[in-house]
Amino acid sequence: NAGVTQTPKFQVLKTGQSMTLQCAQDMNHNSMYWYRQDPGMGLRLIYYSASEGTTDKGEVPNGYNVSRLNKREFSLRLESAAPSQTSVYFCASIWTSGGDDEQYFGPGTRLTVT
Amino acid sequence: RKEVEQDPGPFNVPEGATVAFNCTYSNSASQSFFWYRQDCRKEPKLLMSVYSSGNEDGRFTAQLNRASQYISLLIRDSKLSDSATYLCVVRTNAGNMLTFGGGTRLMVKP
Repeated sequence: NAGVTQTPKFQVLKTGQSMTLQCAQDMNHNSMYWYRQDPGMGLRLIYYSASEGTTDKGEVPNGYNVSRLNKREFSLRLESAAPSQTSVYFCASIWTSGGDDEQYFGPGTRLTVT
Repeated sequence: RKEVEQDPGPFNVPEGATVAFNCTYSNSASQSFFWYRQDCRKEPKLLMSVYSSGNEDGRFTAQLNRASQYISLLIRDSKLSDSATYLCVVRTNAGNMLTFGGGTRLMVKP
């Protein structure tokens, strides 16, 4: 049981380049999320997918797109990277039922945009 | 005003001490509450849920005060391994979204 996996672990991009961050979970969770974490800012929600086939904007969606490819996979795309997108990106997967919760985060992708 | 606010610390305490963190939230529609732990350069991990009646897990006790909109975490008999950042998290049912506080850093010294 791998939980939540993210690739790549590290990436350096030049301004204007594009890339896709991959996330997969093997726990059959319905809900998946992308957060970014910056020093002094805490974790901020970029996009989320409450269930397969749906995606919604979070607090900071500008400059990003997402795809919920299937129940397991939720990808985050930067079409034209900017230095302000330098951050640590975490994918999360959540299952909730009658007060019981399973909440897991992936190990993160450390992205630097120069 | 941030939706979830925490004192960033750091809280520096000796081993064996009892330490408490508070967190306030602004959205009265918040339904569920959690404490996470995050070690340096690692992902956040769910520490415990916070129930209205209060709940305990070993040395950790969480309390919720809905009327005042704050959540607390008490750690008894602190260990060196408790050194980490503790994140307060609230969830509204809309979209099942988790909103994080900025975290409180705890450093337990020998």
